Amino acid sequence: GAVVSQHPSRVICKSGTSVKIECRSLDFQATTMFWYRQFPKQSLMLMATSNEGSKATYEQGVEKDKFLINHASLTLSTLTVTSAHPEDSSFYICSARDRLNEKLFFGSGTQLSVL
Amino acid sequence: GQQLNQSPQSMFIQEGEDVSMNCTSSSIFNTWLWYKQDPGEGPVLLIALYKAGELTSNGRLTAQFGITRKDSFLNISASIPSDVGIYFCAGNILSGNTPLVFGKGTRLSVIA
Repeated sequence: GAVVSQHPSRVICKSGTSVKIECRSLDFQATTMFWYRQFPKQSLMLMATSNEGSKATYEQGVEKDKFLINHASLTLSTLTVTSAHPEDSSFYICSARDRLNEKLFFGSGTQLSVL
Repeated sequence: GQQLNQSPQSMFIQEGEDVSMNCTSSSIFNTWLWYKQDPGEGPVLLIALYKAGELTSNGRLTAQFGITRKDSFLNISASIPSDVGIYFCAGNILSGNTPLVFGKGTRLSVIA
Protein backbone atom coordinates (compact mmCIF):
# COMPACT_ATOMS: atom_id res chain seq x y z
CA GLY A 1 0.00 0.00 0.00
CA ALA A 2 0.90 3.64 -0.20
CA VAL A 3 3.54 4.77 2.25
CA VAL A 4 4.28 8.15 3.71
CA SER A 5 7.67 8.45 5.35
CA GLN A 6 8.07 11.05 8.08
CA HIS A 7 11.48 11.85 9.51
CA PRO A 8 12.73 12.14 12.18
CA SER A 9 10.44 10.10 14.38
CA ARG A 10 11.74 11.75 17.51
CA VAL A 11 13.80 14.87 18.12
CA ILE A 12 14.99 16.66 21.23
CA CYS A 13 16.33 20.16 20.84
CA LYS A 14 17.31 23.17 22.86
CA SER A 15 15.08 26.18 23.14
CA GLY A 16 15.81 28.71 20.41
CA THR A 17 16.97 26.23 17.80
CA SER A 18 15.13 25.27 14.61
CA VAL A 19 13.95 21.81 13.72
CA LYS A 20 13.04 20.50 10.26
CA ILE A 21 10.59 17.64 9.78
CA GLU A 22 10.33 15.89 6.42
CA CYS A 23 7.31 14.18 4.93
CA ARG A 24 7.77 12.05 1.82
CA SER A 25 5.28 10.10 -0.23
CA LEU A 26 7.27 7.06 -1.30
CA ASP A 27 5.17 5.47 -4.04
CA PHE A 28 2.74 8.16 -5.13
CA GLN A 29 2.67 11.83 -5.99
CA ALA A 30 0.99 14.25 -3.66
CA THR A 31 0.02 17.73 -4.79
CA THR A 32 -1.34 18.36 -1.32
CA MET A 33 0.04 17.50 2.07
CA PHE A 34 -1.38 18.40 5.45
CA TRP A 35 0.42 19.07 8.72
CA TYR A 36 -1.24 18.26 12.02
CA ARG A 37 -0.29 18.75 15.62
CA GLN A 38 -1.41 16.46 18.40
CA PHE A 39 -1.08 17.04 22.13
CA PRO A 40 -1.23 14.10 24.57
CA LYS A 41 -4.67 12.50 24.70
CA GLN A 42 -6.00 15.03 22.21
CA SER A 43 -7.19 14.78 18.64
CA LEU A 44 -5.28 15.89 15.58
CA MET A 45 -5.43 19.62 14.94
CA LEU A 46 -4.77 20.85 11.44
CA MET A 47 -1.97 23.39 11.26
CA ALA A 48 -1.60 24.01 7.56
CA THR A 49 -2.25 22.74 4.07
CA SER A 50 0.82 22.43 1.90
CA ASN A 51 0.40 22.75 -1.86
CA GLU A 52 3.18 21.79 -4.26
CA GLY A 53 4.68 24.83 -5.91
CA SER A 54 2.70 27.41 -3.97
CA LYS A 55 2.44 28.92 -0.52
CA ALA A 56 0.97 26.92 2.30
CA THR A 57 -2.40 27.80 3.76
CA TYR A 58 -2.31 28.15 7.53
CA GLU A 59 -5.13 27.61 9.95
CA GLN A 60 -6.22 30.42 12.19
CA GLY A 61 -3.87 30.88 15.11
CA VAL A 62 -0.90 29.13 13.50
CA GLU A 63 2.05 31.46 12.96
CA LYS A 64 3.38 31.06 9.44
CA ASP A 65 6.72 32.63 10.34
CA LYS A 66 7.22 30.14 13.13
CA PHE A 67 6.08 27.03 11.29
CA LEU A 68 7.69 27.27 7.86
CA ILE A 69 6.31 24.89 5.27
CA ASN A 70 7.95 24.10 1.97
CA HIS A 71 6.45 21.77 -0.64
CA ALA A 72 9.05 21.88 -3.35
CA SER A 73 8.21 18.63 -5.13
CA LEU A 74 5.31 16.23 -5.59
CA THR A 75 6.79 13.85 -3.05
CA LEU A 76 8.26 16.05 -0.34
CA SER A 77 6.96 18.61 2.13
CA THR A 78 8.93 19.97 5.06
CA LEU A 79 7.85 21.68 8.25
CA THR A 80 10.45 23.78 10.05
CA VAL A 81 9.76 24.84 13.60
CA THR A 82 11.82 28.00 13.99
CA SER A 83 13.19 29.28 17.29
CA ALA A 84 11.53 26.42 19.12
CA HIS A 85 10.19 26.90 22.62
CA PRO A 86 9.08 24.30 25.18
CA GLU A 87 5.43 25.00 24.35
CA ASP A 88 6.15 23.78 20.80
CA SER A 89 6.77 20.32 22.20
CA SER A 90 4.17 18.10 20.60
CA PHE A 91 3.53 15.23 18.21
CA TYR A 92 3.54 16.46 14.62
CA ILE A 93 1.93 14.34 11.89
CA CYS A 94 1.87 14.84 8.16
CA SER A 95 -0.52 13.37 5.65
CA ALA A 96 -0.34 13.23 1.88
CA ARG A 97 -3.14 13.02 -0.64
CA ASP A 98 -2.55 10.77 -3.64
CA ARG A 99 -3.13 12.96 -6.70
CA LEU A 100 -4.54 10.01 -8.68
CA ASN A 101 -7.18 8.62 -6.32
CA GLU A 102 -7.35 11.38 -3.68
CA LYS A 103 -6.80 8.90 -0.88
CA LEU A 104 -5.12 10.27 2.21
CA PHE A 105 -2.20 8.56 3.93
CA PHE A 106 -0.49 9.51 7.18
CA GLY A 107 3.12 9.56 8.23
CA SER A 108 4.16 7.92 11.49
CA GLY A 109 4.60 11.22 13.29
CA THR A 110 7.44 13.18 14.88
CA GLN A 111 7.66 13.63 18.62
CA LEU A 112 9.31 17.00 19.26
CA SER A 113 10.64 17.80 22.71
CA VAL A 114 12.07 21.27 23.30
CA LEU A 115 14.18 21.67 26.42
CA GLY B 1 -17.30 25.64 11.54
CA GLN B 2 -17.39 21.91 11.09
CA GLN B 3 -17.47 19.83 14.24
CA LEU B 4 -17.37 16.12 14.82
CA ASN B 5 -18.75 14.70 18.04
CA GLN B 6 -17.30 11.30 18.77
CA SER B 7 -18.51 9.01 21.54
CA PRO B 8 -17.79 7.39 23.80
CA GLN B 9 -14.61 9.13 24.87
CA SER B 10 -13.22 5.92 26.36
CA MET B 11 -14.25 2.31 26.79
CA PHE B 12 -13.07 -0.58 28.95
CA ILE B 13 -14.25 -3.96 27.69
CA GLN B 14 -13.55 -7.63 28.20
CA GLU B 15 -11.76 -9.58 25.51
CA GLY B 16 -14.33 -11.14 23.20
CA GLU B 17 -16.93 -8.41 23.62
CA ASP B 18 -18.24 -6.33 20.77
CA VAL B 19 -17.57 -2.59 20.63
CA SER B 20 -19.50 0.24 19.06
CA MET B 21 -18.54 3.88 18.68
CA ASN B 22 -20.03 6.68 16.64
CA CYS B 23 -19.57 10.14 15.28
CA THR B 24 -22.03 12.87 14.45
CA SER B 25 -21.47 16.10 12.62
CA SER B 26 -23.18 19.44 12.44
CA SER B 27 -22.65 19.49 8.67
CA ILE B 28 -23.24 17.06 5.85
CA PHE B 29 -20.15 15.03 5.01
CA ASN B 30 -19.31 13.37 1.71
CA THR B 31 -16.66 11.12 3.18
CA TRP B 32 -16.34 9.30 6.49
CA LEU B 33 -13.12 7.64 7.54
CA TRP B 34 -12.18 5.63 10.60
CA TYR B 35 -8.58 5.53 11.83
CA LYS B 36 -6.74 3.76 14.62
CA GLN B 37 -3.76 5.32 16.32
CA ASP B 38 -1.26 3.44 18.47
CA PRO B 39 0.92 5.36 20.95
CA GLY B 40 3.69 7.31 19.23
CA GLU B 41 2.43 6.46 15.77
CA GLY B 42 0.45 8.19 13.08
CA PRO B 43 -3.18 7.21 12.37
CA VAL B 44 -3.76 4.16 10.23
CA LEU B 45 -6.82 4.00 8.00
CA LEU B 46 -9.26 1.23 8.93
CA ILE B 47 -12.31 1.88 6.78
CA ALA B 48 -13.29 4.55 4.26
CA LEU B 49 -16.92 5.32 3.39
CA TYR B 50 -17.93 7.36 0.37
CA LYS B 51 -21.70 6.91 -0.04
CA ALA B 52 -24.65 7.59 2.23
CA GLY B 53 -25.96 4.30 3.58
CA GLU B 54 -22.77 2.44 2.70
CA LEU B 55 -21.91 -0.43 5.03
CA THR B 56 -18.34 -1.68 4.79
CA SER B 57 -16.44 -4.39 6.62
CA ASN B 58 -12.76 -4.97 7.17
CA GLY B 59 -12.28 -8.22 9.05
CA ARG B 60 -13.90 -7.82 12.46
CA LEU B 61 -14.57 -4.13 11.80
CA THR B 62 -17.76 -2.79 10.30
CA ALA B 63 -18.58 0.84 9.62
CA GLN B 64 -21.57 2.60 8.14
CA PHE B 65 -22.10 5.97 6.52
CA GLY B 66 -25.37 7.34 7.89
CA ILE B 67 -28.27 8.06 5.56
CA THR B 68 -28.44 11.67 6.73
CA ARG B 69 -24.74 12.08 5.87
CA LYS B 70 -24.24 13.50 9.35
CA ASP B 71 -23.19 10.39 11.23
CA SER B 72 -21.19 7.19 11.10
CA PHE B 73 -20.55 4.27 13.40
CA LEU B 74 -17.76 1.75 13.79
CA ASN B 75 -18.31 -1.70 15.28
CA ILE B 76 -15.59 -4.10 16.36
CA SER B 77 -16.69 -7.67 16.93
CA ALA B 78 -15.04 -10.18 19.27
CA SER B 79 -12.42 -7.76 20.54
CA ILE B 80 -8.85 -8.91 21.14
CA PRO B 81 -6.03 -7.29 23.12
CA SER B 82 -4.40 -5.80 20.03
CA ASP B 83 -7.54 -3.73 19.42
CA VAL B 84 -6.32 -1.43 22.18
CA GLY B 85 -5.70 2.09 20.91
CA ILE B 86 -7.40 5.32 20.02
CA TYR B 87 -9.98 5.29 17.26
CA PHE B 88 -10.72 8.48 15.36
CA CYS B 89 -13.51 9.27 13.00
CA ALA B 90 -12.77 11.82 10.30
CA GLY B 91 -14.57 13.31 7.39
CA ASN B 92 -14.73 16.09 4.90
CA ILE B 93 -17.41 17.91 3.00
CA LEU B 94 -15.73 18.27 -0.36
CA SER B 95 -13.34 16.09 -2.28
CA GLY B 96 -10.13 17.55 -3.62
CA ASN B 97 -7.73 19.45 -1.45
CA THR B 98 -9.88 20.00 1.61
CA PRO B 99 -8.40 18.62 4.83
CA LEU B 100 -10.07 16.13 7.11
CA VAL B 101 -11.91 17.12 10.25
CA PHE B 102 -11.23 14.73 13.11
CA GLY B 103 -13.32 13.59 16.04
CA LYS B 104 -11.76 13.69 19.49
CA GLY B 105 -11.16 9.98 19.56
CA THR B 106 -12.36 6.94 21.47
CA ARG B 107 -9.76 5.32 23.71
CA LEU B 108 -10.33 1.57 23.79
CA SER B 109 -8.94 -0.67 26.50
CA VAL B 110 -9.39 -4.44 26.28
CA ILE B 111 -9.10 -6.52 29.41
CA ALA B 112 -7.90 -10.05 28.78
